[in-house]
Amino acid sequence: ELKVEQNPLFLSMQEGKNYTIYCNYSTTSDRLYWYRQDPGKSLESLFVLLSNGAVKQEGRLMASLDTKARLSTLHITAAVHDLSATYFCAVDPNIGAGGTSYGKLTFGQGTILTVHP
Amino acid sequence: GAGVSQTPSNKVTEKGKYVELRCDPISGHTALYWYRQSLGQGPEFLIYFQGTGAADDSGLPNDRFFAVRPEGSVSTLKIQRTERGDSAVYLCASRRDAGELFFGEGSRLTVL
Repeated sequence: ELKVEQNPLFLSMQEGKNYTIYCNYSTTSDRLYWYRQDPGKSLESLFVLLSNGAVKQEGRLMASLDTKARLSTLHITAAVHDLSATYFCAVDPNIGAGGTSYGKLTFGQGTILTVHP
Repeated sequence: GAGVSQTPSNKVTEKGKYVELRCDPISGHTALYWYRQSLGQGPEFLIYFQGTGAADDSGLPNDRFFAVRPEGSVSTLKIQRTERGDSAVYLCASRRDAGELFFGEGSRLTVL
């Protein structure tokens, strides 16, 4: 059974500080997603990482994937209050013929990020 | 519409009742997924359709849960004899080919 573990589960940051959220998973996969969820809202796609060594950046967020270590990171630079939300990583373990994924994602528990002034 | 549409957004029902939740995917998306998100948890996979057929229903918790997608577009998740433990947000997602999943706003089910 695929396990996806995030840490920390709760993160309280001051504005302007940097921090990293870690996502470890237990099976071979080279397709990993990061989502943001605001309270009472659905999932907003942040990053899709599709290969070992993939790195993507959007604003103050940067995500990377190390498939050998089965680890992805979400790095927050100079946090601002607007980044307060819950962040999920999700792994797609089903890579069929030709590298096709089935989209059957296994999610981590989520990291609740609160950024304080 | 431009996104995945789910109705109702909220449903309160009594234990033992039957419930239907509807999902209208993004136009042209062939794959459709149902996930369930309990309070404080990440979403959990329930079932996946490719076209009209259920390609993988291994996440359905028991035989009280059933989903259909008769014309390959709109899908309905059906829950019989609801139990309090079924209370959760039911999320639908769709995608084109092997692209990323786009999620709807969810249907919040509360079983009293």
